Amino acid sequence: AIQLTQSPSSLSASVGDRVTITCRASQGISSALAWYQQKPGKAPKLLIYDASSLESGVPSRFSGSGSGTDFTLTISSLQPEDFATYYCQQFNSYPHGYTFGQGTKLEIK
Amino acid sequence: QVQLVQSGAEVKKPGASVKVSCKASGYTFTSYGISWVRQAPGQGLEWMGWISAYNGNTNYAQKLQGRVTMTTDTSTSTAYMELRSLRSDDTAVYYCARSPPFGGYFDYWGQGTLVTVSS
Repeated sequence: AIQLTQSPSSLSASVGDRVTITCRASQGISSALAWYQQKPGKAPKLLIYDASSLESGVPSRFSGSGSGTDFTLTISSLQPEDFATYYCQQFNSYPHGYTFGQGTKLEIK
Repeated sequence: QVQLVQSGAEVKKPGASVKVSCKASGYTFTSYGISWVRQAPGQGLEWMGWISAYNGNTNYAQKLQGRVTMTTDTSTSTAYMELRSLRSDDTAVYYCARSPPFGGYFDYWGQGTLVTVSS
């Protein structure tokens, strides 16, 4: 099974900072990667799909890049509402066996 | 607008079964797949399986094979997830989520259903 490793596991940052979260796959997954944001007590929200496509309605300060095994989610200028937990998810083996990264908790410094 | 509305919280004893529903609206149900994802308290997300609302084809996570069954009722645009032989470590919030055609990501999510397994 394909494993995803996110780094860091947690991160403290300030409003206005540029933040990058990394997701590494245990084997190549082409561009079959999505990013989600989850706030406490809420369902995850899709931010990025196909590694770099911005979901409709998501602010342009969010961007994704990468292919193969290494991927990044970048928030260009943190806003107060961005403090949440972020997950990557691979779907290379559609529709068999999707996996999520362990999550990155983004906290206010 | 697209909505996935799930059934309410459940409390079950170890060894019992639970069946969670997910009613879809605002789109053509049979044109998309539905996955089920769970999240144990304070933990990350775990994909449980996928069902095609078009033809009922399923794929389940290996660790749940034999305990989980996913079905759909196209007449009511509702997906169901049944988990049997419940254990305490099945305590989690269970989410349904929509997958676009030929896309394995999840663009809309239900609100979640808390299933508590306790004696």
